[in-house]
Amino acid sequence: ETGVTQSPTHLIKTRGQQVTLRCSSQSGHNTVSWYQQALGQGPQFIFQYYREEENGRGNFPPRFSGLQFPNYSSELNVNALELDDSALYLCASSLAEGNSYEQYFGPGTRLTVT
Amino acid sequence: AQKITQTQPGMFVQEKEAVTLDCTYDTSDPSYGLFWYKQPSSGEMIFLIYQGSYDQQNATEGRYSLNFQKARKSANLVISASQLGDSAMYFCAMREGRGGFQKLVFGTGTRLLVSP
Repeated sequence: ETGVTQSPTHLIKTRGQQVTLRCSSQSGHNTVSWYQQALGQGPQFIFQYYREEENGRGNFPPRFSGLQFPNYSSELNVNALELDDSALYLCASSLAEGNSYEQYFGPGTRLTVT
Repeated sequence: AQKITQTQPGMFVQEKEAVTLDCTYDTSDPSYGLFWYKQPSSGEMIFLIYQGSYDQQNATEGRYSLNFQKARKSANLVISASQLGDSAMYFCAMREGRGGFQKLVFGTGTRLLVSP
């Protein structure tokens, strides 16, 4: 196991609602990245947080937002949920210093929007 | 933009045999890194192996090895002595970005089924 945890494991929401997903990074890691994985696809990068600030974003609308806390845990918030937001949401923690390159993934949150 | 291509939607192999999963990539950046992840049905992405673009030798991790052919822009994963527990989705990914910002660009994956 990587030491990265995510909650909740599964979630069912209705179109138009808002959702918050949580991620606790591996001890010592200061960077958290979020990915969306639709069924049958590879993960797509949403955004990354480094020391509590967003430092990179993929092609996702502003209704996808996030936070990183002083203990480096993170939240992903999605407003005005759409059916296409149904996916597995993965967070990955890493150490953005030196030659470190590996991202450690959590088990994911499976979101279903009805 | 960087791109990863996995052309094998599914692969079948018998237990104890070796299998090669294909991955080609496209980038104009001379410095890059290539990863392979395993994703069982539970959903977690499990890191298997990493190859840096300047690494002189092909990476190996236990039963996993990466056949890195830089000129052909390919980074195939070789699993030796397949086990039933190897049945899963396998994703090839490339590291994009520099310094404090790095993201992974993933391929569409290959589903491996190991039969007894």
